[in-house]
Amino acid sequence: EPEVTQTPSHQVTQMGQEVILRCVPISNHLYFYWYRQILGQKVEFLVSFYNNEISEKSEIFDDQFSVERPDGSNFTLKIRSTKLEDSAMYFCASIWGLSTDTQYFGPGTRLTVL
Amino acid sequence: DQQVKQNSPSLSVQEGRISILNCDYTNSMFDYFLWYKKYPAEGPTFLISISSIKDKNEDGRFTVFLNKSAKHLSLHIVPSQPGDSAVYFCAATNTGNQFYFGTGTSLTVIP
Repeated sequence: EPEVTQTPSHQVTQMGQEVILRCVPISNHLYFYWYRQILGQKVEFLVSFYNNEISEKSEIFDDQFSVERPDGSNFTLKIRSTKLEDSAMYFCASIWGLSTDTQYFGPGTRLTVL
Repeated sequence: DQQVKQNSPSLSVQEGRISILNCDYTNSMFDYFLWYKKYPAEGPTFLISISSIKDKNEDGRFTVFLNKSAKHLSLHIVPSQPGDSAVYFCAATNTGNQFYFGTGTSLTVIP
């Protein structure tokens, strides 16, 4: 069965450093998402991406965040200057089309900001 | 602004009995609802969904009920099995661009 992959599984960084979280969505999917889950809290939407541009973003997704699809397979989330409160699990997801009912999630990257 | 709410953080059920997980939403524009299951250290896994034009969708042991007038949906698992023990998230969308998740309900099925 196809799956979304994410690397690294765990990233530890110092406050103020830049991090790039990587995702490889399912190959024929067209819509891509990033979510995060702070420990013990709900899964929060960050951003959706389609046709090489952001479709929608939440209030959390401020200027410190950016997404990119640098080639045909990777989908990255960059945090320019990490803050302590960025520590969370970050999930990437992809779907083929908006009408589909199955959003495939990756296993997540645990980001720890010290 | 929590548009999707799961008011029960945890639920314990005996094996073989019915598990009922509840979810409420506030945005009447939502037209698609989904349930996800999440094990520790894994990403959420899609379980079952329902469109707003329906009031019930069934898939094996899992049934989702939608009450649009009450802005309420529920997931029924019958019979519950120990392997069903996980955190269950309810999610909703109206455009497919943004999905709103509840805070999750941790289900424990006791053998």
